[in-house]
Amino acid sequence: GEDVEQSLFLSVREGDSSVINCTYTDSSSTYLYWYKQEPGAGLQLLTYIFSNMDMKQDQRLTVLLNKKDKHLSLRIADTQTGDSAIYFCAETPRSNDYKLSFGAGTTVTVRA
Amino acid sequence: NAGVTQTPKFQVLKTGQSMTLQCAQDMNHNSMYWYRQDPGMGLRLIYYSASEGTTDKGEVPNGYNVSRLNKREFSLRLESAAPSQTSVYFCASNRGNQPQHFGDGTRLSIL
Repeated sequence: GEDVEQSLFLSVREGDSSVINCTYTDSSSTYLYWYKQEPGAGLQLLTYIFSNMDMKQDQRLTVLLNKKDKHLSLRIADTQTGDSAIYFCAETPRSNDYKLSFGAGTTVTVRA
Repeated sequence: NAGVTQTPKFQVLKTGQSMTLQCAQDMNHNSMYWYRQDPGMGLRLIYYSASEGTTDKGEVPNGYNVSRLNKREFSLRLESAAPSQTSVYFCASNRGNQPQHFGDGTRLSIL
């Protein structure tokens, strides 16, 4: 949706770090999410962050939130071939907790 | 643990035909959702059901109807399919403001 924007493609070498960026417009967002979609599959929740947090780390994943700039990023350390997928950023606006707004998705390709 | 189950996984229809996409969840979630996924556009919300007995329109409801049959099941109906409805359809569910869980999708082609 137009409320959430992501770059469409990212190519990264195996073993390097990947950084996927996302910007959103709703300053009242409560939760921000990262989902992963592998070919032919549904969306798998990777991680999420509450809007009063700046950072969240979970194994190889680090999420950074800059509320002032309305910018969210996902860093994947030591990127592996199994990380090749489409990554979606999504937000839950405070005004309507039932609506989840998605970005268009970033296709990450990991090359050997 | 099945989670969110969608049927069928694939379907081809002719323009004007009708069909119902089925979705069931076994996580005792209150809320259920239908999205469509089109290339370069992410997921767009078609309809949602905040609780059993209620349904509301999302971003792109035209051409669709839904039924919240019971707490577990939420179906999406295309009364007269159009080529513009060729898409991948995802069902999701959650409780309160917890993250949504998604099914594996139904790939629908309309000729």
